[in-house]
Amino acid sequence: GAVVSQHPSRVICKSGTSVKIECRSLDFQATTMFWYRQFPKQSLMLMATSNEGSKATYEQGVEKDKFLINHASLTLSTLTVTSAHPEDSSFYICSARDARAGVEKLFFGSGTQLSVL
Amino acid sequence: DAKTTQPPSMDCAEGRAANLPCNHSTISGNEYVYWYRQIHSQGPQYIIHGLKNNETNEMASLIITEDRKSSTLILPHATLRDTAVYYCIVRGGRDDKIIFGKGTRLHILP
Repeated sequence: GAVVSQHPSRVICKSGTSVKIECRSLDFQATTMFWYRQFPKQSLMLMATSNEGSKATYEQGVEKDKFLINHASLTLSTLTVTSAHPEDSSFYICSARDARAGVEKLFFGSGTQLSVL
Repeated sequence: DAKTTQPPSMDCAEGRAANLPCNHSTISGNEYVYWYRQIHSQGPQYIIHGLKNNETNEMASLIITEDRKSSTLILPHATLRDTAVYYCIVRGGRDDKIIFGKGTRLHILP
């Protein structure tokens, strides 16, 4: 099946620094990618929809200036957590939609565990 | 909000069939039923999806009722590695985002 690579898998940073997370579709082009956040023992919460070549669409309550999303190519989207604070510590997961005709599946990355000290 | 309702947890004996129910009474005509699972600290894994016909692949079978208001995911011979949270999701067109509910935590008992 299609593969979505997410990097890094784990990151620890100091409060106030910025962290960039990459999401790549390895064997298909993804016009649309989604970013989720998951707190312990909770379900995945959609943060934003990333569209190649245009601005991301953020879900209600998600600060667009804090969570910067860039989708500059059909195979790469990045999420930058700016000025991270301990409350931003979470499991971040990306998902990519296979744009090939007739394919309706979304594929997920393996996630990034962010710990802000 | 999620459009599906699932039991919070289920147990199944190893080697038996695991039958996971899902209610989606407000599903509309162009919406598909998707199933994903998430093993601890990993990204969700696609299992299967369907519109109105029953579907089967190498992982599972999906049984959708005739009125499409509910479905059942069947893992034919559950193993310990099937322990995970299983999410039933209703999704529309190709650009429709996936909204996760709380899912069913499946415990496979040795």
